[in-house]
Amino acid sequence: SAVISQKPSRDICQRGTSLTIQCQVDSQVTMMFWYRQQPGQSLTLIATANQGSEATYESGFVIDKFPISRPNLTFSTLTVSNMSPEDSSIYLCSGRDREINGELFFGEGSRLTVL
Amino acid sequence: AQTVTQSQPEMSVQEAETVTLSCTYDTSENNYYLFWYKQPPSRQMILVIRQEAYKQQNATENRFSVNFQKAAKSFSLKISDSQLGDTAMYFCAFMRDYGGATNKLIFGTGTLLAVQP
Repeated sequence: SAVISQKPSRDICQRGTSLTIQCQVDSQVTMMFWYRQQPGQSLTLIATANQGSEATYESGFVIDKFPISRPNLTFSTLTVSNMSPEDSSIYLCSGRDREINGELFFGEGSRLTVL
Repeated sequence: AQTVTQSQPEMSVQEAETVTLSCTYDTSENNYYLFWYKQPPSRQMILVIRQEAYKQQNATENRFSVNFQKAAKSFSLKISDSQLGDTAMYFCAFMRDYGGATNKLIFGTGTLLAVQP
């Protein structure tokens, strides 16, 4: 299946700043999905990103806080804006493989710590 | 709304033995997929096995197999001949099948499996 390169792998950020996470896929994917995984917990979907259109956000997540870009079929970014300690999490991007219905493949995750 | 429940937060198994992880889900849909994902300490989510709801035959992938009970809405994972590299967090996931690319995965809370030497 396809491979996603995600960066940064980890970062320590100051309160009030913003950080952008990038995901590069080695093949074209229709949909990309951004998840948050808080310490010791499951994955929660933040938004679904389609190329050329605005991302669709899940309940509890808003565009001002988590703006997403999807300029083409192989790349997406998620920005965590105006960070607070509650944003300390692992953020994972994922894509759907066209060849394998249903399966998502994931990047390695970005561990953010907000001080 | 769909929910996925994993009732075992942690499990332990001796190397070479067999372990079963439990998962139940709630849905009114008839067409869907179920998955088991593995997340080792490296954080990389890796697909272990998948099951289409319309298939009666249980999926198998080498040492990994599932027991899919559609009526009971149960989807357990059996790991045979456990290896140290199987130590990881295991997530059960559900996806409705609308035939479109926007279908979302809903994850359970995970089971932390430790394989002991």
